[in-house]
Parts: sequence; structure tokens; C-alpha cells
Amino acid sequence: DIQMTQSPASLSASLGETVTIECLASEDIYSNLAWYQQKPGKSPQLLIYYANSLNDGVPSRFSGSGSGTQYSLKINSLQSEDVSIYFCQQNYDSPPTFGSGTKLEIK
Amino acid sequence: QVQLKESGPGLVQPSQTLSLTCTVSGFSLTSYHVHWVRQPPGKGLEWMGVMWSDGDTSYNSALKSRLSISRDTSKSQVFLTMNSLQTEDTGIYYCNREREYNLFDYWGQGVMVTVSS
Repeated sequence: DIQMTQSPASLSASLGETVTIECLASEDIYSNLAWYQQKPGKSPQLLIYYANSLNDGVPSRFSGSGSGTQYSLKINSLQSEDVSIYFCQQNYDSPPTFGSGTKLEIK
Repeated sequence: QVQLKESGPGLVQPSQTLSLTCTVSGFSLTSYHVHWVRQPPGKGLEWMGVMWSDGDTSYNSALKSRLSISRDTSKSQVFLTMNSLQTEDTGIYYCNREREYNLFDYWGQGVMVTVSS
């Protein structure tokens, strides 16, 4: 199985700041990387797919980048509603595997 | 609109069998694959298995010996059955819809399952 290593495990930032979350795959996943946002007490929601494509309705302050084994999620102008756990997931190979998550809080 | 909703017992005794139902609406089980994913308390997400739109199934190799997924297309329901439950099986169980290869665009609200005597 492809292992997904996500960092940091937690992150605290101020409103309006820019934050970046990293995800490292154990092998090349050819940009088949998705990011999910899980708000407190809610189910995960698809944010970004194929490394940099925004899902419908996702604010443009979210962006994804990367290739090969290294990927990142960037959130510009942090808003209070961005408080969530963010997961990366590879959909290159079965079984699909997820990162361990990054908990984002507001300072 | 597309919806998925999990249902089942909140408490299961160790060594017993878990049975969950995912009821979907807004799409057909014969057109979309439905997966099960679980999340232990405070931990990450683990893929469990899938009901393919053609009725076939695939399972996580770590759970394969204990897990079964089936469906009733007339009721738009997908079922998960897992036996020999242990405390480490405690967590939230989600069903979700696959938009395209292993990419999940709609998730159910999840159902919390506690394995305890």
C-alpha cells in the first residue's frame, strides 16, 4: 500500500495568515492527490483533486500544488471557518490511503 | 440531491458482529461505486472496502477475513457486516460515493460505533 505522510500534525495561525500543509507519498502518485476538509463533528468534504483542481464551491483562497511524491495545500487569508482537520489522500492506486491529518486552529 | 446516510447500532460487544446500512438517494447504485471508510477516535481515515456499481466488491486486505459488503439496489442500500469485533474497531464509520477513481465526492454523516462490553 502507498503510505501518505502528512505534516504538520497540528497548526495554529492567525486570521488573515497563509498556511501550508505538506503531504509526502511513499512512491510517485502522478498528481493523483486529493485534499479533504473535515470541520468539527462533520464528515470530510472534498476540497481539491488531482493535486490542484478546486472542487465546486471551494473558495479560491485554497490551492494545491505538487507532483511526484510531494504535495502541498495552501490556504491564503485564513478565515475562522477554516478551522478543520485536513487530510490528503492518494487515489492513484488501490487501496486508497490517507494522511494522518493536520488539525488547523486559529491563534 | 445526492445523499448518503449510515445507520446501525451504536454499541457492539467484543467478538460480536457489526451490521451497518448505507441508504443513498439522488443517484443509482448501479451507476456509482460506494465505499466504506472508518475513523478511530482522534485518528485518521482507513479505507475498508467498496461495492462496485456492477455488484462486485473489494476489501482492505487487513479486514478481508472479517468484512463483507452487500447491497439491495431496489432499496438503494449498501450493507457492511464485520465480525469478531474488538475495541480497536471503535470509531466513526462512513459510506461515501466515488466520483471517479477512488475520489470521494459525497460522504454520509457517519455513524459512531463503540465496541465495549
